[in-house]
Parts: sequence; C-alpha cells; structure tokens
Amino acid sequence: ETGVTQTPRHLVMGMTNKKSLKCEQHLGHNAMYWYKQSAKKPLELMFVYSLEERVENNSVPSRFSPECPNSSHLFLHLHTLQPEDSALYLCASSHLGDRGRFGGYTFGSGTRLTVV
Amino acid sequence: GNSVTQMEGPVTLSEEAFLTINCTYTATGYPSLFWYVQYPGEGLQLLLKATKADDKGSNKGFEATYRKETTSFHLEKGSVQVSDSAVYFCALSDPPSGAGSYQLTFGKGTKLSVIP
Repeated sequence: ETGVTQTPRHLVMGMTNKKSLKCEQHLGHNAMYWYKQSAKKPLELMFVYSLEERVENNSVPSRFSPECPNSSHLFLHLHTLQPEDSALYLCASSHLGDRGRFGGYTFGSGTRLTVV
Repeated sequence: GNSVTQMEGPVTLSEEAFLTINCTYTATGYPSLFWYVQYPGEGLQLLLKATKADDKGSNKGFEATYRKETTSFHLEKGSVQVSDSAVYFCALSDPPSGAGSYQLTFGKGTKLSVIP
C-alpha cells in the first residue's frame, strides 16, 4: 500500500463506548497529525507527532487520546464521546521536502465518526 | 496569529467557465502557501503549492501565484469541468514546531459545483 490509510472509514459509537481510529503511512514521513473536520467550521488541528513524540496538543479534551507507537502508525483512542464530537477525523503526514522546505501534508481519506 | 480568508461559497459555474477562488492570508515571516481539494467522501489532496513570493504553483490546469505585496494566493482555472466539483481549501504553513513538523492553517473552504 502507498499513501496514508485510515481505518475504519465509518464508525458509529455510543457515548459510553471506547473505540480507536487508526492511521498508517508508507511514505517515510517524519511527522503525523490528527485533524477534525466539522460542518461549516475550519479544519481543527488536534495533535501533532514528530519523530514519534507529541509536539502539539491544541487543548483537545481528554476523551481523545493519541498514540504514536512508531513513525508509520498513529492512533486516536476515543472514550465517553459527546454527540458534538461527530465529525470527519483526518490523519495527515509530512516531511521537510526539497532542500529542507516543507512540502505539505498527505492526507488520508478520513474516518466519518457519528456519536449517538 | 496566522489566518487564511477564502471567498464564501458555494460557487456554481457552467462547464468551460473561468474559475477564480480568492484567498488572502495574514502571516508572520515567509510561509509556504497551498491549495488543497476535497472530493465528496474523501480526504484532502494537495492541488498545488508555492514556497516563496512570485512563485506560481500549477497542476491539472489550476494555477495560483504567491503575491506577497497583496498577501494573496488566488486559485484560477481557465475552463472548469464537471469533475472539478469539490471543496477547495487555501492553506499556509506556520513556522516549524518540533523536529520537522509543520502546522497548516486552513481557510474554511469553498465549495465549487460545475454544471453541464
């Protein structure tokens, strides 16, 4: 496989459930990201991992817990979510690109999460 | 902080019409600028980018020029097709944080519908 792969594509969970989203990249990138995309709102950066260490947590509620066991895999563990957490969750990866310049993100297709 | 402002959508055009989607930004330093496209049910795909002033990014008939004097990065295409129907996001790169990770600041997106 190539690119950034996210699983599952769709997830419906109750507010008391625990689930995990998975992201995998086969691009040799050195940073990975979780974004939340809600209707009529800009994309929200949730977490950033660089070289498997978390470097950014944009005040995300503790019911979202990221994990980056190696440079190719990123997880988002979910527990006791609220209906307003329903959204498209996007994973992305990046590397520095040509001559150290940032080349942009490669995104996965996302997980459509519905909390009921 | 950095910000990106895109024209409000939705934009509806007839096939073969000329497209312009305006994007202006506020940033410190010298960010790289990007256009991403999101087709229905998919994640974001990099459409084009420019890394310094006066650079022109181009791909699939789309073009955008990095204008530092007007802090703009407008997306243009001379003749749109039905297959171009999607949501388009303008973005800029924040200064690097951590070892090799960059954050992107996105606009809210502009939905384009092309009718036959």
